[in-house]
Amino acid sequence: GEDVEQSLFLSVREGDSSVINCTYTDSSSTYLYWYKQEPGAGLQLLTYIFSNMDMKQDQRLTVLLNKKDKHLSLRIADTQTGDSAIYFCAEDSGGGADGLTFGKGTHLIIQP
Amino acid sequence: DAGVIQSPRHEVTEMGQEVTLRCKPISGHNSLFWYRQTMMRGLELLIYFNNNVPIDDSGMPEDRFSAKMPNASFSTLKIQPSEPRDSAVYFCASSSGPGIYGYTFGSGTRLTVV
Repeated sequence: GEDVEQSLFLSVREGDSSVINCTYTDSSSTYLYWYKQEPGAGLQLLTYIFSNMDMKQDQRLTVLLNKKDKHLSLRIADTQTGDSAIYFCAEDSGGGADGLTFGKGTHLIIQP
Repeated sequence: DAGVIQSPRHEVTEMGQEVTLRCKPISGHNSLFWYRQTMMRGLELLIYFNNNVPIDDSGMPEDRFSAKMPNASFSTLKIQPSEPRDSAVYFCASSSGPGIYGYTFGSGTRLTVV
């Protein structure tokens, strides 16, 4: 079955880089996504990567994909207090037509 | 576009009462998804629709849960009768299809059943 695993918490100092890791099981996933959820809000799409890519960079965000190991990571450079949130990894099981399967989310905690 | 609109934002109800959650997807999106979020289970897909037709409701926890999409701009999720263990945040999301756009989520309805 499909499963997406993430660490529950990550604590970093302000200004450092944050690296949030995710493993998934569905090798047929076409797209993999990172969503951000701030307190009391819905999920906001941060970025995505197509399964035939190894890396994607978007300003302070870098996504790395190791398809062989089914490992996805999100790096946030120069982490700011506004980055404090829950970050969800998701895969489009069944090519996306069957809905996204989400990990349980990683709480990113920023230390001053 | 105002995004995916859910109502109400908060709902507190007594056990045994009927609860109806509402969702207005983004205009032009042909897929609609209902998710439930709890601390224990994270985000669970309950049901999704393509072109107003329910495709997979295997995530609906019990017969007490039902969902409808009478037209392209409106969907409801109903719980009857509600139970305390139904307390969660319920999210609606819509999509124009798989791929680069992902899904757009509403702000959610926080349901508390006492």
